[in-house]
Amino acid sequence: NAGVTQTPKFQVLKTGQSMTLQCAQDMNHEYMSWYRQDPGMGLRLIHYSVGAGITDQGEVPNGYNVSRSTTEDFPLRLLSAAPSQTSVYFCASSYSYGSQGAYEQYFGPGTRLTVT
Amino acid sequence: AQSVAQPEDQVNVAEGNPLTVKCTYSVSGNPYLFWYVQYPNRGLQFLLKYITGDNLVKGSYGFEAEFNKSQTSFHLKKPSALVSDSALYFCAVTSGNFNKFYFGSGTKLNVKP
Repeated sequence: NAGVTQTPKFQVLKTGQSMTLQCAQDMNHEYMSWYRQDPGMGLRLIHYSVGAGITDQGEVPNGYNVSRSTTEDFPLRLLSAAPSQTSVYFCASSYSYGSQGAYEQYFGPGTRLTVT
Repeated sequence: AQSVAQPEDQVNVAEGNPLTVKCTYSVSGNPYLFWYVQYPNRGLQFLLKYITGDNLVKGSYGFEAEFNKSQTSFHLKKPSALVSDSALYFCAVTSGNFNKFYFGSGTKLNVKP
């Protein structure tokens, strides 16, 4: 299994440009999520999905869009990049959460994004 | 609001000595607690979790953590540190609908030979 894969590894954008960060998992996990990691702030949840066709906002959703058309893929879209979105982005997946219990998340290697 | 605090930005220990990385949390219901480790330029890796039951949970690489409900803490421990344990450690919590996770700011562990 490849686990959780993310592309690209590095990206430089100019203010106002748009792009999509790709995330895919081959573990048939229902739950997928996007985080951003900033120095001194840990990881903050941007958006998450509990299954195909179902997404919801996390702690810092502004400026980001997501969709989940398949179980495997969960892309993150930046519609108009801003310098404040310079960060390292991690995608993660796990078995579904809820009343059955919480499961550990598997993280991708990350995408380092710089917006100038 | 739910939150996690890791009060120490950095912990320094000598190889062979016991280590503790501190974590306190604030949630409105019963917490599910996690520890993850991050090596340079890598994603996070799961170490251990507390869901229910025994307050002392054991995880990967000899790590363990103790859940203390009265002190709202979930400190990570290891009896004998290794140089290879040097990394960034994150505590995380979820509660309520268990779909939103809150991470601490991270603690850098330095183990010196």
